[in-house]
Amino acid sequence: AQSVTQLDSQVPVFEEAPVELRCNYSSSVSVYLFWYVQYPNQGLQLLLKYLSGSTLVKGINGFEAEFNKSQTSFHLRKPSVHISDTAEYFCAVSSKAAGNKLTFGGGTRVLVKP
Amino acid sequence: DAMVIQNPRYQVTQFGKPVTLSCSQTLNHNVMYWYQQKSSQAPKLLFHYYDKDFNNEADTPDNFQSRRPNTSFCFLDIRSPGLGDAAMYLCATSTGIGADTQYFGPGTRLTVL
Repeated sequence: AQSVTQLDSQVPVFEEAPVELRCNYSSSVSVYLFWYVQYPNQGLQLLLKYLSGSTLVKGINGFEAEFNKSQTSFHLRKPSVHISDTAEYFCAVSSKAAGNKLTFGGGTRVLVKP
Repeated sequence: DAMVIQNPRYQVTQFGKPVTLSCSQTLNHNVMYWYQQKSSQAPKLLFHYYDKDFNNEADTPDNFQSRRPNTSFCFLDIRSPGLGDAAMYLCATSTGIGADTQYFGPGTRLTVL
C-alpha cells in the first residue's frame, strides 16, 4: 500500500522569506509524485509533478520540488513567498501497484504574514 | 477556457433527503472522479469513471452513487444524507490514470441539517 506523510500541518512564514514543505511517501515500487495547492473554498490545482528523469522539478508560481529516492521524499520549496501563496498544499503519490489512484497526504497549511 | 464546472457551489439539504451534485467538463477527458473532503483533511476518493467503466472504492458507503450519462457530465447522488456526509465534494478529470494530471472543479460544499 502507498501512503504519504506531510510532516508539518501548518507553516507560518513571513513574506519574501523562503519556505520548504516536507513530504515523505512509502511505496515499494516506482511512483509518480505530485504537489497540489488549494486556495480557500476552491478546488485543487497542480503545482508540479515528478514522473521520471531529472530529480529537480520546477512548477508554477516559482515552486520547485526535489525527488529523493533514497529518502523517499519529495519536498516542495519556494525561495521567496508572497501573501498570495497562503493556501493548503497537498503532496500526493500514484503508482500502478496501487491501481493508479492518487493518495494524498494530510496537507500543510501555509500562512504568509506581512 | 476548458474547465471543470460544479453545480451548485453550495448545497443545503435535510437529514435523509436525497441530493444530487453535478459536474461537467469541457476538457473531453476520459476519466472523471468524485472526492469527498472534510474540513482540514485530504480529499478522499469515492469513485471514478474511466469512460463508462465505473470504479467504486471499497470503503465508499452504499449511500453514495454516481452516474455518467455522457463524456461531459457526471453526477453524485447521496441517497440518504447523514450529518457525517457534510463535506466539500470535489470533481476531477484526467485524460488517463496514473501519471496524468487531475483537473479539479471548485467543489460543492454540502451542509446537512
